[in-house]
Amino acid sequence: GAGVSQSPSNKVTEKGKDVELRCDPISGHTALYWYRQSLGQGLEFLIYFQGNSAPDKSGLPSDRFSAERTGGSVSTLTIQRTQQEDSAVYLCASSSDRGFYGYTFGSGTRLTVV
Amino acid sequence: DQQVKQNSPSLSVQEGRISILNCDYTNSMFDYFLWYKKYPAEGPTFLISISSIKDKNEDGRFTVFLNKSAKHLSLHIVPSQPGDSAVYFCAASITGANSKLTFGKGITLSVRP
Repeated sequence: GAGVSQSPSNKVTEKGKDVELRCDPISGHTALYWYRQSLGQGLEFLIYFQGNSAPDKSGLPSDRFSAERTGGSVSTLTIQRTQQEDSAVYLCASSSDRGFYGYTFGSGTRLTVV
Repeated sequence: DQQVKQNSPSLSVQEGRISILNCDYTNSMFDYFLWYKKYPAEGPTFLISISSIKDKNEDGRFTVFLNKSAKHLSLHIVPSQPGDSAVYFCAASITGANSKLTFGKGITLSVRP
């Protein structure tokens, strides 16, 4: 597609439930990133996929968070046993190379845990 | 530990005047800096960047200044336009590391007509 697509755009879930957030990067982009923005905070790095290399998971806040990228394209971020502090906007970005100017962000998924 | 700091949460300027958005960083390893602009319900979009080998980069109405000794950068918008009203994020990275960016909390700029 023309841009990075994220779904759903909004998600309200009950505390303790699992959620899956989806990211469709720009076709051909080898790098994919997940960030989140909590209320009043900057964008917090979560995880980075580059080609077939092992992902950089150093930003995942707990073992309740996991992500995968199938076939080098679509990525799913899964949050198990959601907590209220997980409420945030989850942003996905992709780029064609390691050039930071090539980051293209999606519009994000606003997750609210009640 | 906030490695990239945008200490002013908001800024309001008159249309046609200069907007100066400030950013400080603490990690001396950072050598590449970027500004992103974000409108409501949209993802951030890249605006302008600067490498640590430079102290200034200009693109149209936007200029970024870098003061390495002070670990400070600023974004100047001249002249400011109402369409510039958005949240501006400062970001930093280390060349050679993965492409991970460290972002500040953002500054909300309002340009008054």
